[in-house]
Amino acid sequence: ETGVTQTPRHLVMGMTNKKSLKCEQHLGHNAMYWYKQSAKKPLELMFVYNFKEQTENNSVPSRFSPECPNSSHLFLHLHTLQPEDSALYLCASSQDEGLGGYTFGSGTRLTVV
Amino acid sequence: GDSVTQMEGPVTLSEEAFLTINCTYTATGYPSLFWYVQYPGEGLQLLLKATKADDKGSNKGFEATYRKETTSFHLEKGSVQVSDSAVYFCALRSRGGSQGNLIFGKGTKLSVKP
Repeated sequence: ETGVTQTPRHLVMGMTNKKSLKCEQHLGHNAMYWYKQSAKKPLELMFVYNFKEQTENNSVPSRFSPECPNSSHLFLHLHTLQPEDSALYLCASSQDEGLGGYTFGSGTRLTVV
Repeated sequence: GDSVTQMEGPVTLSEEAFLTINCTYTATGYPSLFWYVQYPGEGLQLLLKATKADDKGSNKGFEATYRKETTSFHLEKGSVQVSDSAVYFCALRSRGGSQGNLIFGKGTKLSVKP
């Protein structure tokens, strides 16, 4: 247990479904991140939230929609995904100030069928 | 911009062999440096870190020394175990706040055979 909890651990969804990934941290961190990890590709930073405000969106398609209602919770809403969106989605958190590292969750393994 | 370059894998070693995974970086200022490990089916875990030149990070028998003169942060372990089989990521962070995110290398997969 790292202090960052992601649910569900595994998700299979059809291309017409709508689902949400959830991330929760109680480490007192004020920045949260979504990463995508596909096989044989580098880690891709998708979204960054600092103090609940989105500060980065790395050209992510609109079928991925993040939500950060407070500094402890982060969601990734999914709709009309494509098979190539199948990947491990990782959430992380950190202190905004300073040069500290990130604490990662265990990830959600998403399969789009 | 900032970047991290680590050796291509996969790396296959026998148990008790010596491990080195090379990592070099390009960054503005004085970054913090990190090694993360990802075991199969899991997220990334912080393995060790160093925040200034000549610092040595260490954990679980792994070590890495922050070398500013060679802009390197190579990961070493004297005697690897089968349980060390994982993907290892080198990373840096050179600026805090919303202007500076963690920059990762591409990862190096290590397989240790009994």
